[in-house]
Amino acid sequence: DQQVKQNSPSLSVQEGRISILNCDYTNSMFDYFLWYKKYPAEGPTFLISISSIKDKNEDGRFTVFLNKSAKHLSLHIVPSQPGDSAVYFCAHGAGSYQLTFGKGTKLSVIP
Amino acid sequence: DTGVSQDPRHKITKRGQNVTFRCDPISEHNRLYWYRQTLGQGPEFLTYFQNEAQLEKSRLLSDRFSAERPKGSFSTLEIQRTEQGDSAMYLCASSSPGQGYGYTFGSGTRLTVV
Repeated sequence: DQQVKQNSPSLSVQEGRISILNCDYTNSMFDYFLWYKKYPAEGPTFLISISSIKDKNEDGRFTVFLNKSAKHLSLHIVPSQPGDSAVYFCAHGAGSYQLTFGKGTKLSVIP
Repeated sequence: DTGVSQDPRHKITKRGQNVTFRCDPISEHNRLYWYRQTLGQGPEFLTYFQNEAQLEKSRLLSDRFSAERPKGSFSTLEIQRTEQGDSAMYLCASSSPGQGYGYTFGSGTRLTVV
């Protein structure tokens, strides 16, 4: 089974600086990796995805990097804004439409 | 479109009781998913519908859990003989074929079993 691990439960960053959220995975397959953002009392919101055939995908302030040799995924947010404060989940999807989520990293952007 | 709606938002029930949750997906989405999230964990997949057909079920979904999606529109998730370990946030999501894995989640139903 695919495992997705987010080893940092929390991260604090100053407003305007870069936020880097990390994720490690176990199995390598042709598939997709995604990041979701979750505010309290709301469901997760899809943020950005990357296919395993790519190394990078960018959408505005958000960039996801995929290092297949290290089985490592990262999300960069530049510049960080207070509204980015939320829990970020990395997720893996392959074949069927089932997603496997990590435990999440709580990002706090300090004004 | 108001997004994915879940009802109720909160449910407190006594151990051993049955509970039923409802999910109304985005109208044009033919795919519907149920996930469960416990404290400190990410969402865990429970089951997946394409239209009215239930195509996948997690081994997490014990015999006490049943989900339906009659007519391929709204869905219900029923838990029979609830246990304290069933306390969690139950999340529903929907998507259309062109969305891939970028689901739209509802705000969830928080279940507390006392």
